[in-house]
Amino acid sequence: AQKVTQAQTEISVVEKEDVTLDCVYETRDTTYYLFWYKQPPSGELVFLIRRNSFDEQNEISGRYSWNFQKSTSSFNFTITASQVVDSAVYFCALSERGNNRLAFGKGNQVVVIP
Amino acid sequence: NAGVTQTPKFRVLKTGQSMTLLCAQDMNHEYMYWYRQDPGMGLRLIHYSVGEGTTAKGEVPDGYNVSRLKKQNFLLGLESAAPSQTSVYFCASSVQGAPRGNTEAFFGQGTRLTVV
Repeated sequence: AQKVTQAQTEISVVEKEDVTLDCVYETRDTTYYLFWYKQPPSGELVFLIRRNSFDEQNEISGRYSWNFQKSTSSFNFTITASQVVDSAVYFCALSERGNNRLAFGKGNQVVVIP
Repeated sequence: NAGVTQTPKFRVLKTGQSMTLLCAQDMNHEYMYWYRQDPGMGLRLIHYSVGEGTTAKGEVPDGYNVSRLKKQNFLLGLESAAPSQTSVYFCASSVQGAPRGNTEAFFGQGTRLTVV
């Protein structure tokens, strides 16, 4: 069965520090899709990025970057030069081509201290 | 650009009461989901649907029923509410499968339900 593990529960950083969120996934499918979502204090879920299992190219988008490594089943997310507005819960999620479910990890609470 | 709309946004129920949460999407998505979010537990899948007229159990289906009579609507029912069902409920929809693969899920704003 598909599974997503986000081991860190709460991470506190001082503004302008970098923060990396770890995501480890389990799947038996050879084709799968990975996602990161952000949930700010207002409560809505904001989609950040999607990665296909056959696309290991890492990406940088502004202050966000992602490191996808199939060899270690990890899909880590880094915020560079954190800002107070980055304070939120971040969720990693996985869906498989052969399975209709979308499974989430338990989330990482990021607190950016001014 | 309505996207996914959930009603109501807040509700307080007494133990044993019933209610239905409505989710509507205007993106013509085949897949729809109901999740509950509890502190420290992340989002847990209650039920989902892969198309009009279909439903399936997720991770925590007990105490809930769902229906997908129309493609754009996915209803979540609580027949006899219990305090353990106090939670924030999210509905989502997505596209899965060919040709683009599984896309991101689009979420509603959430429903905060308290059962007293």
